Amino acid sequence: DSGVTQTPKHLITATGQRVTLRCSPRSGDLSVYWYQQSLDQGLQFLIHYYNGEERAKGNILERFSAQQFPDLHSELNLSSLELGDSALYFCASSEGLTGGALPWWDTQYFGPGTRLTVL
Amino acid sequence: DAKTTQPNSMESNEEEPVHLPCNHSTISGTDYIHWYRQLPSQGPEYVIHGLTSNVNNRMASLAIAEDRKSSTLILHRATLRDAAVYYCILLNSGGSNYKLTFGKGTLLTVNP
Repeated sequence: DSGVTQTPKHLITATGQRVTLRCSPRSGDLSVYWYQQSLDQGLQFLIHYYNGEERAKGNILERFSAQQFPDLHSELNLSSLELGDSALYFCASSEGLTGGALPWWDTQYFGPGTRLTVL
Repeated sequence: DAKTTQPNSMESNEEEPVHLPCNHSTISGTDYIHWYRQLPSQGPEYVIHGLTSNVNNRMASLAIAEDRKSSTLILHRATLRDAAVYYCILLNSGGSNYKLTFGKGTLLTVNP
């Protein structure tokens, strides 16, 4: 158990809909990262937040957005869903000791993931 | 962006050493080399990282070529629990923005 929790575990929805995935980082961790893992694209970094602020974006679509709240939990919002958005979405957290500037200095701890199925 | 190339799969026997290669011929001077692994039905977990010098920790060793165009993750004695997909990752920290490049990963099978 990494200490990172994600809800829900599974989500089934229809094309065109909007969903919100939630992530609670390990206690004390300031950085939260979101990843998408699909069979054809592999593991892709989406976005990183440090202490409530966006630090960097990866391969995140404009239909997707995220935020980190004052209590440090994070939400990933996916809208206008398409069949191709079906994937496993991971959240990870790290201590953020370097202020988020070099996040991968910190070991990242991954949650169990949310499996999204778009029908 | 610098890219990484890994073999799709490798096999090893239990208790034997495993050398997982990664090519990153376009690596830049500020790219850090990281390795993560993903066990079946789990999220990825950190293994090791380095910049120029070889690195050791309790999980593995990382050998970085002198020209940094390739690296090798070494598992000294493979166990069945080491069966996973191993990702070689480059992190380029361009100030407060950074780019992440994931390899396709190597599926390691460990035979009893």
